[in-house]
Amino acid sequence: QVQLVQSGAEVKKPGSSLKVSCKASGGTFSGFGISWVRQAPGQGLEWMGEIIPIFGTTNYQQKFQGRVAISADDSTSTVYMDLSRLRPDDTAVYYCARQGGLYGPGTYLEFWGPGTLVTVSS
Amino acid sequence: DIQMTQSPSSLSASVGDRVTISCRASQDIHTDLNWYQQTPGKAPKLLIYSASTLQTGVPSRFSGSGSASDFTLTISSLQPEDFATYYCQQSAFTPRTFGQGTKVEIK
Repeated sequence: QVQLVQSGAEVKKPGSSLKVSCKASGGTFSGFGISWVRQAPGQGLEWMGEIIPIFGTTNYQQKFQGRVAISADDSTSTVYMDLSRLRPDDTAVYYCARQGGLYGPGTYLEFWGPGTLVTVSS
Repeated sequence: DIQMTQSPSSLSASVGDRVTISCRASQDIHTDLNWYQQTPGKAPKLLIYSASTLQTGVPSRFSGSGSASDFTLTISSLQPEDFATYYCQQSAFTPRTFGQGTKVEIK
């Protein structure tokens, strides 16, 4: 069974940067995409971006362009999400999720990490 | 970006009720539509993918239908563990946007 283990909760200052990790175990790592989804307190789910490790390709939501970078380390089956120039409204739970099915159109988020709470406050 | 609109935003229902949640896409997404269930403090859980395919282990009281821009999630007989928030997500295009969620509450 696929399991995703995320790094621990963080408290950050506005303007600083964040790096959240997501380590996968069980199943094949590089053959499936990993997405990052965040959820602000009391709000809905927001898709941030994805990486297809086997190709190294990434897609990001436009609103995060220039602030977010998703990378993968095949040797440790770990995906990272970097978010820079943090603002208070970046306060959220950040989830990684492994895609099911083929990468590209038609994928779905089959396995989810437990989430990482990030608080941005001065 | 494709906008996903769910209706209603919330509903109250009783155990045993049939519940229907709608999801509309701002353009044709074929059947690239997924449904997730989330309970408070937990990660979302995949229920249905490709509009109508039940994820392994999900009870058969859940079903999905639709294509193009109109989709429906149906719970045939609501159980106590089904009180949660439900999200649709399109995966036809990036960004793979979510609906705003539908909260199913106990009547």
